[in-house]
Amino acid sequence: SQKIEQNSEALNIQEGKTATLTCNYTNYSPAYLQWYRQDPGRGPVFLLLIRENEKEKRKERLKVTFDTTLKQSLFHITASQPADSATYLCALDTNAGKSTFGDGTTLTVKP
Amino acid sequence: GAVVSQHPSWVICKSGTSVKIECRSLDFQATTMFWYRQFPKQSLMLMATSNEGSKATYEQGVEKDKFLINHASLTLSTLTVTSAHPEDSSFYICSAALPGQGAREQFFGPGTRLTVL
Repeated sequence: SQKIEQNSEALNIQEGKTATLTCNYTNYSPAYLQWYRQDPGRGPVFLLLIRENEKEKRKERLKVTFDTTLKQSLFHITASQPADSATYLCALDTNAGKSTFGDGTTLTVKP
Repeated sequence: GAVVSQHPSWVICKSGTSVKIECRSLDFQATTMFWYRQFPKQSLMLMATSNEGSKATYEQGVEKDKFLINHASLTLSTLTVTSAHPEDSSFYICSAALPGQGAREQFFGPGTRLTVL
């Protein structure tokens, strides 16, 4: 069956460190993979999209990698700040015109 | 940036009543909008894809007669929960996509918290 798994439900790190979140998938062949940020009681906010033929994408302190052989994406936040605390969702788009979301990882950055 | 609004942000209703939720793209035209529901500590579950001027496409297991979707214009889609029951209580979120982009970059509304008593 198809599955999207994000490494852990919660991740706690110290301010200034790099946070690394994992998204693994099985029985999908995504054309795109997206990362979103969701704050409590709010809708998700789009962060980054990476295509199947791209290995890495960066945006300011964010970096996403996409390994279609391992069926895995890594999402890094460098020089993390308490304001980065939120739930991060990965989503797969199989070119069927819709996305399927993982359960999310809640990141807490402690000062 | 692209902004999507939802109204109301929260609603409490009695069991058996119907509730309408509006989703508007404020500064762009959205030929496609998506409706999701989210339970606490769970991910977004796609309910249906709404295309302007045509019938919505519902995901498996979602009752189309229970969750009526209308996408009458390029900036407005509505979700009506008919004869709501307590198990329909959830966080409903819509998103809109830029024309031709499918689901690649979705702009989400702030969500509507529905509580059915």
